[in-house]
Amino acid sequence: GQQLNQSPQSMFIQEGEDVSMNCTSSSIFNTWLWYKQDPGEGPVLLIALYKAGELTSNGRLTAQFGITRKDSFLNISASIPSDVGIYFCAGQKGPGTASKLTFGTGTRLQVTL
Amino acid sequence: GAVVSQHPSWVICKSGTSVKIECRSLDFQATTMFWYRQFPKQSLMLMATSNEGSKATYEQGVEKDKFLINHASLTLSTLTVTSAHPEDSSFYICSARQGHTGELFFGEGSRLTVL
Repeated sequence: GQQLNQSPQSMFIQEGEDVSMNCTSSSIFNTWLWYKQDPGEGPVLLIALYKAGELTSNGRLTAQFGITRKDSFLNISASIPSDVGIYFCAGQKGPGTASKLTFGTGTRLQVTL
Repeated sequence: GAVVSQHPSWVICKSGTSVKIECRSLDFQATTMFWYRQFPKQSLMLMATSNEGSKATYEQGVEKDKFLINHASLTLSTLTVTSAHPEDSSFYICSARQGHTGELFFGEGSRLTVL
């Protein structure tokens, strides 16, 4: 099935640095979601975006829904060790309750002290 | 917040046996549940969509006779991996959509290892 492309695939950063990752698609999505997955766990929702151009923050996280509806980015400011994990974007085409999610390829974040 | 629980969280079985994984929404009714498979260092791939009281809808390439899904109630969906083989070893994750709000919640995953 279709996957969304995320970049970078992985990144090593120092504690305190800002992080930026993005997600692109060849087709339009009407909802963009960002999840974090820790090892051996299910994904946890970080931010949901429902409108093209929307910029939403959740603490140190900021995400934007691209104007073309084909991309989104996630920024993490002042990273801390517990930010380590895999970040997935996910797109949803329809507004209906049965509309399924398409996940991105993931960005693995490592934070060094 | 809403909780989705999977059981077992890990299971080891012999090749040829069948394994059942449960997904429960603990404090809400889930009209729709989704089953995903995740191989190491890869993304989540949707296997099937399960609606309470009706047959599951499988994604292309997913064998419905091998991965049996039952959504018998608004709080429980089960995935049975039949005649499991080593290549079925994976992390299986369910998600449940709350009927009232449409919000989606993920379970903690179930790791299957087939020897």
